[in-house]
Amino acid sequence: QVQLVQSGAEVKKPGASVKVSCKASGYSFTSYYMHWVRQAPGQGLEWMGIIDPRGDRTSYAQKFQGRVTMTRDTSTSTVYMELSSLRSEDTAVYYCARAPYSNSDYFDYWGQGTLVTVSS
Amino acid sequence: DIQMTQSPSSLSASVGDRVTITCRASQTISSYLNWYQQKPGKAPKLLISAASSLQSGVPSRFSGSGSGTDFTLTISSLQPEDFATYCCQQSYSRPPTFGQGTKVEIK
Repeated sequence: QVQLVQSGAEVKKPGASVKVSCKASGYSFTSYYMHWVRQAPGQGLEWMGIIDPRGDRTSYAQKFQGRVTMTRDTSTSTVYMELSSLRSEDTAVYYCARAPYSNSDYFDYWGQGTLVTVSS
Repeated sequence: DIQMTQSPSSLSASVGDRVTITCRASQTISSYLNWYQQKPGKAPKLLISAASSLQSGVPSRFSGSGSGTDFTLTISSLQPEDFATYCCQQSYSRPPTFGQGTKVEIK
């Protein structure tokens, strides 16, 4: 069965960076694009970007351009999301979510979420 | 960016009730509309894609309709496990955007 397992919770200081991992299993890793979506406490869902696991191509939301980097390691079927210059507003649960086909912009399987807390 | 507006933001209902949630897009999105269910502390779960296509394993009491700018999620007979937050999302144009959610609570 498809599983996306994310790394554990993080606490970071303002200005620092965080790197969250998402290990995929149960399907052909390079056949499906992967998105990252975040949810601040009590708030709605916000799309951050997408990565093509075949060739490392990415597309980021304008809001995060220059601060976010998405990468992948095909040898371990893992995608990564790194967010830099953290501020308190970046406190959120970060999810990886699989695109069901090609470059589609909706999400059929989700990781369990990683809470990132930014606090001095 | 396309704005997605849901109504109501919350509702109280009883087991067995018929529940309807609406979602409006700020511009036409054809049928590129998806619905998710989210329970506290859990990741969202895809219920319906392309406005009306029920995902495998999702009970048939869930249904979706609409096209263009106006969409509806209906739960025909609310069950105890359906108390959750429901969220619409457009996949017509990037960036994909979400509604603010509708919380379905026990009456």
